[in-house]
Amino acid sequence: GENVEQHPSTLSVQEGDSAVIKCTYSDSASNYFPWYKQELGKRPQLIIDIRSNVGEKKDQRIAVTLNKTAKHFSLHITETQPEDSAVYFCAASRQYKLSFGAGTTVTVRA
Amino acid sequence: EPEVTQTPSHQVTQMGQEVILRCVPISNHLYFYWYRQILGQKVEFLVSFYNNEISEKSEIFDDQFSVERPDGSNFTLKIRSTKLEDSAMYFCASSQGQRNQPQHFGDGTRLSIL
Repeated sequence: GENVEQHPSTLSVQEGDSAVIKCTYSDSASNYFPWYKQELGKRPQLIIDIRSNVGEKKDQRIAVTLNKTAKHFSLHITETQPEDSAVYFCAASRQYKLSFGAGTTVTVRA
Repeated sequence: EPEVTQTPSHQVTQMGQEVILRCVPISNHLYFYWYRQILGQKVEFLVSFYNNEISEKSEIFDDQFSVERPDGSNFTLKIRSTKLEDSAMYFCASSQGQRNQPQHFGDGTRLSIL
């Protein structure tokens, strides 16, 4: 089955700096890659997704890149703000189920 | 914005008892999912459901688990004889379509087995 590796596990950044989280996946048939943000005790919230026919996608301060050949994808958050502090999960899917990475705890220091 | 709703928010159950977790997916969504998250760990897929049938299930989803859509709005997860290791947050999700469609999660039910 699909195996998704995510790193780093924790990330501390100064407010205003950028944050980058990287994921790799094992199943070359995976074609959908969402990113979720989860605040403590809350639901995972979809923040951005990318499909395998696209290399990059942006939405305001967040962007995702996908390298199908290398089987890795990354989340980029620019101009980080305190409200960006949360756990971020990447996931990969080829049909029904989402296979999640282990998560990255992002802390934005004021 | 429409949301997936789950009840109860917290369920405490004695080991060996049956428990039913309830979900109301977003109304125009056709695909439904259950995931679980053990404290501090990653979210794990349990089962997907479409057209009143299980479309995929994980190795976690053994004979103790079942899912049902008893009416036009609810989607339930039943655990027949709970074990201590079933303690986790259980999330329901739904999506409009099968492929490449965003899955929207509910707030979850925290299940505590004593």
